[in-house]
Amino acid sequence: NAGVMQNPRHLVRRRGQEARLRCSPMKGHSHVYWYRQLPEEGLKFMVYLQKENIIDESGMPKERFSAEFPKEGPSILRIQQVVRGDSAAYFCASSPPDGPNSPLHFGNGTRLTVT
Amino acid sequence: KNQVEQSPQSLIILEGKNCTLQCNYTVSPFSNLRWYKQDTGRGPVSLTIMTFSENTKSNGRYTATLDADTKQSSLHITASQLSDSASYICVVTGGSQGNLIFGKGTKLSVKP
Repeated sequence: NAGVMQNPRHLVRRRGQEARLRCSPMKGHSHVYWYRQLPEEGLKFMVYLQKENIIDESGMPKERFSAEFPKEGPSILRIQQVVRGDSAAYFCASSPPDGPNSPLHFGNGTRLTVT
Repeated sequence: KNQVEQSPQSLIILEGKNCTLQCNYTVSPFSNLRWYKQDTGRGPVSLTIMTFSENTKSNGRYTATLDADTKQSSLHITASQLSDSASYICVVTGGSQGNLIFGKGTKLSVKP
């Protein structure tokens, strides 16, 4: 049973380009969370999704950022018109639909560098 | 306001020594408390998860304690190894599955 898979591991974009980050949850996990981490800082919540639904996007900037978790395929975090401040590590986590005590597994992140 | 505070912010110990990391929280309602280990450049890996009724849980050389009355938890590492060098993150789940509150982590360095 593969873990949470994120790709790419590293992504370099020029200012103004779009970044698409992918997350394939563990088998049987229908809940996905996206977090952002700056160097030497903690994980910051961005968005929580279930299949085809956004449950909580309170941590995601209203402009330029969007997330989806379609019925088929990976969850996508999309950043339009990237700026230098978007440079960070973006982590995805997944859990089964078993309530608040469900296990939560993380991927190894995508490191986005905006030049 | 729901918060998770960890201390110390960083810690340096010699290989073979024990150490204890602290986590205080003000999350209500409370579902569980988790400890994660995050190696540099990697995603967090789960060490323990404790619900309200559990006050201690071990995972190898890692032992977590929970005092739900004082809203405090500790992570004790026994006989530290160089590979224990990492950030240790305390995460508290509120009343619903998606309500996870993260601490900022304690950065542990184990020196030979």
